[in-house]
Amino acid sequence: KQEVTQIPAALSVPEGENLVLNCSFTDSAIYNLQWFRQDPGKGLTSLLLIQSSQREQTSGRLNASLDKSSGRSTLYIAASQPGDSATYLCAVRLNDMRFGAGTRLTVKP
Amino acid sequence: DADVTQTPRNRITKTGKRIMLECSQTKGHDRMYWYRQDPGLGLRLIYYSFDVKDINKGEISDGYSVSRQAQAKFSLSLESAIPNQTALYFCATSDGTGYTFGSGTRLTVV
Repeated sequence: KQEVTQIPAALSVPEGENLVLNCSFTDSAIYNLQWFRQDPGKGLTSLLLIQSSQREQTSGRLNASLDKSSGRSTLYIAASQPGDSATYLCAVRLNDMRFGAGTRLTVKP
Repeated sequence: DADVTQTPRNRITKTGKRIMLECSQTKGHDRMYWYRQDPGLGLRLIYYSFDVKDINKGEISDGYSVSRQAQAKFSLSLESAIPNQTALYFCATSDGTGYTFGSGTRLTVV
C-alpha cells in the first residue's frame, strides 16, 4: 500500500527566505506526482504536476523535483511571501491518487 | 463558473439522517472521485468512477455510497450519518493525468 509522508508538518519562516518542503512515498511505481496548495477551509489548487519520466517542473517561484527511485519529491519556494502561507500537499498517482497529510507553511512579514 | 462545483458548501445534520453531497463538473473528464479530509490525515479516497457505468470503492468506502448519474455528475450519500463522518469532503475530476478539485463540502454530524 502506497504511503505518502510530508516533513515537516508545519514550518514558519520570515518573508524573503527560500524554503524546501519534502515529500516521500513508499512505492516508486507511480504515474505522476502533483503538488497542491490548500488555503484554510478551501479546496485544493494544483501547483505543479511531474510525470514519472520527468525530473522537475517549474512555475514562477516554485520548483518541484522528483526522484522516483528514492521515492522523494521536493517543492522549492524562492523568496517566500506572506501570501504563500497555506498548507501544501503532495500526492502520487498510480491507479488512484494518494495524499500526504501536508505541510502547513506560515510566512511572517 | 467553477470547473468542479460541490453542493452544499456546508451542512449540519443529525445522527442517523441520510444525506447526499453533489458534485458536477464542466471539464468533460470521465474520471471522478470523492475524498474526505480529516485534520492530520490528509485526503482519503472514498469512491471513484472512471465512466458512467464504472464505480469503485476506495480505501474508506464503508458507510458511503455513490451514484454516477451522468458523465458530469457524481453524488456521494451517507445512508445513516454518524458523528465520525464529520469531515471536509472533496470531489475531484481527472483526465488521467492531473486532478481538479472542487471547493469542498464541510459536513458536521451532531
